[in-house]
Amino acid sequence: GAVVSQHPSWVICKSGTSVKIECRSLDFQATTMFWYRQFPKQSLMLMATSNEGSKATYEQGVEKDKFLINHASLTLSTLTVTSAHPEDSSFYICSADPEIGGAFFGQGTRLTVV
Amino acid sequence: SQQGEEDPQALSIQEGENATMNCSYKTSINNLQWYRQNSGRGLVHLILIRSNEREKHSGRLRVTLDTSKKSSSLLITASRAADTASYFCATAGTGGFKTIFGAGTRLFVKA
Repeated sequence: GAVVSQHPSWVICKSGTSVKIECRSLDFQATTMFWYRQFPKQSLMLMATSNEGSKATYEQGVEKDKFLINHASLTLSTLTVTSAHPEDSSFYICSADPEIGGAFFGQGTRLTVV
Repeated sequence: SQQGEEDPQALSIQEGENATMNCSYKTSINNLQWYRQNSGRGLVHLILIRSNEREKHSGRLRVTLDTSKKSSSLLITASRAADTASYFCATAGTGGFKTIFGAGTRLFVKA
């Protein structure tokens, strides 16, 4: 089946630094990928839609300058959390659709900002 | 705002019993998906049901979809302690590809 690989699975960084998270579709091409954020014991919140070759579409309330998304190829999207602060600590998950709506998810990245 | 809403928010049952979780949504959909998430872990895709389907089975899982009522149910039969997890429904709308998640049902199966 379709596989989406997310890296790293966890990261600890100092406040003020930037962290890059990669999302790769391993056996299919994805013109669109999605980035979600999940707080403890809560559901996933869609942050943005990553579009290959064009700008990402951000959901309301998500700071585009804080969460930089680059979809450089049909198999790779990256999310960079810039100037991270403790409140950015969260579980970030990407997904990609090999077909309309059939999302497959990465294993998630747990970011802790200290 | 989130599209899907699961009911109940939490469910505690004995091993061997059946667990039923419901999901309601608000707008037209292409499909509806159910996912499982163990505490602090990633999502596991369980089953996808398309808008023109009414019922799907996968092992001990049975999913129904009623587009007239904009609702779906997930039935887990003969539950096991290992089924303890959070279960989310998610919908893919007709207007785009993005998947919107409900708040989830936390299922606890007691051995």
